[in-house]
Amino acid sequence: AQTVTQSQPEMSVQEAETVTLSCTYDTSESDYYLFWYKQPPSRQMILVIRQEAYKQQNATENRFSVNFQKAAKSFSLKISDSQLGDAAMYFCAYRSGTGNQFYFGTGTSLTVIP
Amino acid sequence: KAGVTQTPRYLIKTRGQQVTLSCSPISGHRSVSWYQQTPGQGLQFLFEYFSETQRNKGNFPGRFSGRQFSNSRSEMNVSTLELGDSALYLCASSRGAGGAPDTQYFGPGTRLTVL
Repeated sequence: AQTVTQSQPEMSVQEAETVTLSCTYDTSESDYYLFWYKQPPSRQMILVIRQEAYKQQNATENRFSVNFQKAAKSFSLKISDSQLGDAAMYFCAYRSGTGNQFYFGTGTSLTVIP
Repeated sequence: KAGVTQTPRYLIKTRGQQVTLSCSPISGHRSVSWYQQTPGQGLQFLFEYFSETQRNKGNFPGRFSGRQFSNSRSEMNVSTLELGDSALYLCASSRGAGGAPDTQYFGPGTRLTVL
C-alpha cells in the first residue's frame, strides 16, 4: 500500500507571511494524483489543491501553490500571504491513477499568528 | 450543486449497541468512501462503494459494514459498539470513474460518541 508522510505535526506562521508544509509519499506507480485538503475547526474537509503526476508544472490556486518533485516523491504546499482563516489541519493525500482509494497523511496543524 | 450530506451530525450510543450512519453524495457521483478520524490514528479508510458494490476495503473488523443504494446514497453500520469506536466518521463522494483527476469531496462528518 502507498504511504503518505507529513513530518511536521504542527507549524505556525505570522499573518501575511509565507509557510511551506511538507509531504512525502512512497509509491512504485507512475500514474497518480496528489491532493492537499484543509480541515478547519468546523471539521469540514475542503479541497485546497490537486496535482496530476504526469504534469511537470506545479499547480497553483490563488495563494496556494505546490512544489511537486516527482523523483524525490515530495509534494509540499506553500501558502503565501497567510490569513487567519488559513488556520486549520492540512492533510496531504495520494490517489492511484488506476484506483479510487485515497491515502492520507497524518496531518499538519497550522496556526496563524496575528 | 448541493454538497455531500451526512446524517446524523452527532450521535451518542452505549457499548454493545449498533449504529447506522447515512451519506448522500453529490448529484452524479457514484462513488462513496468512508473514513474514521480519531486524534490518535488520523484518517483511516474504511471502505468504498461504487455502483452498489464494495470496491475497496480498509483494515477494519467485520463489525463495520456498509452498503450503497441505487441512488448512490450510502449507509455505514457499526455493530456491537466499543469505546474505541468513538470518532468522527467522514464520508466522501467522487465520480468514481477514475482518470484525471477524480477528486473526493467530503461531508461534514458524523461525530459518534460511545459511552
